[in-house]
Parts: sequence; structure tokens; C-alpha cells
Amino acid sequence: DIQMTQSPSSLSASVGDRVTITCRASQSISDYLNWYWQKPGKGPNLLIYAASSLQSGVPSRFSGSGSGTDFTLTISSLQPEDFATYYCQQTYSAPYTFGQGTRLEIK
Amino acid sequence: QVQLQQSGPGLVKPSQSLSLTCAISGDSVSSNSAAWNWIRQSPSRGLEWLGRTYYRSKYYYDYPASVKSRITINADTSKNQFSLQLNSVTPEDTAVYYCVRGVWDSRGPHFYMDVWGKGTTVTVSS
Repeated sequence: DIQMTQSPSSLSASVGDRVTITCRASQSISDYLNWYWQKPGKGPNLLIYAASSLQSGVPSRFSGSGSGTDFTLTISSLQPEDFATYYCQQTYSAPYTFGQGTRLEIK
Repeated sequence: QVQLQQSGPGLVKPSQSLSLTCAISGDSVSSNSAAWNWIRQSPSRGLEWLGRTYYRSKYYYDYPASVKSRITINADTSKNQFSLQLNSVTPEDTAVYYCVRGVWDSRGPHFYMDVWGKGTTVTVSS
């Protein structure tokens, strides 16, 4: 199985900050990488697919990049509603595995 | 707008079977452009993909090795829903279970999960 490792596991930041979350795959997954966000008590929501394609309705302050084994999710200017847990997922090969999550908290 | 409505018991006894159903509105379980997945989430295991079914002239099923011997996902075209059955459960199967629609990018083969059910908390305990 392909292992996905996110860093950091948690992050404190302020409204307006630029934030970057990293996801690393245990082997090359080309650009078969998705990002989701999740608020407490709710299910995950799709943010970005194919490493850099923004899901419809997602604000443009979110962006994704990377290919191969290393990927990043960037939020250019944090808004209050962005404080959540973020997960990466590879869909290069089954089983489709997720990272352990990055919890983004208000500083 | 696609919506997924989950149903099923929240408490299952050890060694018994866990059964959940996901009713689809706004799409079809026989769609040629979607796959119907089950994913669970627990503090100890994180998000774990349990498998999927999809229709391409016939139904196909994909399961990870970790649960393959215990799991069945079925599509019910008459009710436009799909289901999960997980046999011989243990407390390790305690989790929030989500039914999820997966789709392929129209421009290429990328697969992603764009619609999630609200989740069902299932506890395995006697």
C-alpha cells in the first residue's frame, strides 16, 4: 500500500497568514493527489483534485502543487472559516490511502 | 445536487455483521461516470477506504486486502442505493462510516471523492 505522510501534524496560524501543508507519498503517484478539509463532527469535503485542480466553489486562496512524491497545499490568506483539519489522499493505486491529517488552529 | 442519505444501526455486537445503506438522490448507482465508496474514520486508524462498486456494463467491486475477506458492497438499482456489510466485527471496527461518491475527472483518469454522506457512528460492543 502507498503510505501518505503529512507535515506538520498541527499548525497554529493567524487570520491573514499564508500557510503551507506538505504531503509526501511513499512512492511516485504522478499527480493523483487530492486534498480534503474537515470540520469537527462533519464529513470531509473535497478541496483540490489531481494535485492542483480546484473543486468548484472552493475559494481561489487555496492552491495545490506537486508531482511524483511531494505535494503542497497552500492557503494564501487564512480566513476564519479555514480553521479545520486537512487531509491528502492518493488515488494512483488502490487501496486509496489518506494522510494522517493536519490540524490548523487559530493562534 | 447529489445527496447521500445513510442509514443503519449504531451499535453492533462483536462477531456479528455491520450493515449500512446509502440512498442516492441526484445521481444513479448505475451511472457510467461514478463509483460508490465506503470510507471509515477512527482516531486510531484515521481515514480508511473500504472499497467501491461501479457500473460499466456490469458491476465491478474493489476491496482493500485489509478487509477483503469480510466485506461486501452491493448496488440496488431498484432503490438507487448501495450497501455495506462487514462481517465478524471487533471493537477495532468502531468508527464513523461514510458513503461517498467518487468520480473521474472529465479531462483525464484522475479519481476523486466529491460527495460525502453525513456519516454513521458505529460502535462495536457487547
